[in-house]
Amino acid sequence: DVKVTQSSRYLVKRTGEKVFLECVQDMDHENMFWYRQDPGLGLRLIYFSYDVKMKEKGDIPEGYSVSREKKERFSLILESASTNQTSMYLCASRLTDYSNQPQHFGDGTRLSIL
Amino acid sequence: LAKTTQPISMDSYEGQEVNITCSHNNIATNDYITWYQQFPSQGPRFIIQGYKTKVTNEVASLFIPADRKSSTLSLPRVSLSDTAVYYCLVGTIFGNEKLTFGTGTRLTIIP
Repeated sequence: DVKVTQSSRYLVKRTGEKVFLECVQDMDHENMFWYRQDPGLGLRLIYFSYDVKMKEKGDIPEGYSVSREKKERFSLILESASTNQTSMYLCASRLTDYSNQPQHFGDGTRLSIL
Repeated sequence: LAKTTQPISMDSYEGQEVNITCSHNNIATNDYITWYQQFPSQGPRFIIQGYKTKVTNEVASLFIPADRKSSTLSLPRVSLSDTAVYYCLVGTIFGNEKLTFGTGTRLTIIP
């Protein structure tokens, strides 16, 4: 089974802090994704990465950046956290973008910005 | 990018078959249809995926008519543990990963 592990289940930070959310997958997947999930809005794609050192903006990249230095790890960075970034953050990975492989999700990090 | 429309919520009794329909009128030739299940405080979990006609696995069946403008997820003999949110996604397999998760269908199973 694919395992996608997010470093924290719950995180509380203060406005203006730089926040790092870490995600690790153990199946040598090429593609990795960061979503946020908010009530009534479903999941929205923030950033994704086709491969190491590659990144693409999703639908809501403002206020976020990402880093993928190693294939198994994809980090989401909130450069200066704001209260409107309080949300559930979900990481996912997929084998490759040239197949019909589904995405595999972690259990999420519930981030609160005070 | 194909937009999907699903019912916001559904209720069903234990032991019944549940069918959740998703509309995707703008589906493109290269698009696959994928369904995910999400429990509270967990990430979505892949259930089933298909391109046309019918697909069945140990968990569910997926029915896709010839025009592919809709699809139906069928859950046989549901139990209380099937209470979850179900998402229908449509997207191409060829690299475009801007898959849009809608608000999903909240399925509640009643004892």
